Amino acid sequence: EIVMTQSPATLSVSPGERATLSCRASQSVISNLAWYQQKPGQAPRLLIYGVSARATGIPARFSGSGSGTEFTLTISSLQSEDFAIYSCQQYNNWPFTFGPGTKVDIK
Amino acid sequence: QVQLHESGPGLVKPSQTLSLTCTVSGGSISSGDYYWSWIRQPPGKGLEWMGYIHDSGSTYYNPSLKSRVNISVDTSKNQFSLNLSSVTAADTAVYYCARSEGYCSSTSCQNWFDPWGQGTLVTVSS
Repeated sequence: EIVMTQSPATLSVSPGERATLSCRASQSVISNLAWYQQKPGQAPRLLIYGVSARATGIPARFSGSGSGTEFTLTISSLQSEDFAIYSCQQYNNWPFTFGPGTKVDIK
Repeated sequence: QVQLHESGPGLVKPSQTLSLTCTVSGGSISSGDYYWSWIRQPPGKGLEWMGYIHDSGSTYYNPSLKSRVNISVDTSKNQFSLNLSSVTAADTAVYYCARSEGYCSSTSCQNWFDPWGQGTLVTVSS
């Protein structure tokens, strides 16, 4: 099983600032990496798949990069609605696995 | 637009079987284009993919659960279901159903999840 780790566990950011979240895989997942946003009491929402392809309706301030084992989600200018938990998911190998999440909160 | 909705008991006794159903609306589960997944999240913890099913009946289960989990599909009702046997307190979680998008080769599939149901909390307790 591929183990996904994320850093930092919590990221405190002021509105309007840039947020950079990291995700690491225990072995290469090539470009088979997705990101999800989850707000309290809500289901996860797909943000990005294929490392950098934004899902339908996702604003351009969300961008993804990386390959192999190291990946990054960048939120260029944080809006109030972006404070949430962000999880990465590898889908290169069964079983598909998720990272533990990074909580982005207000500084 | 496709929507998913989980239903089932919110409380299950230890050693019993947890059973949930996901109803798909706004699209056909029989399109052949997707797999249909169950994913769970224990309170305060991360997400765990449990397994999925294709409308053809093809399934894949997470090996960590393989001996206890069964996923089935009822195309006539546009639903798919989860059965998890011999539950313990460790199975207490919010259970989500989700459509699995992606692609398959002859030997494997690569799938992300979109959209998701709103989730249902299942507590295992006597």
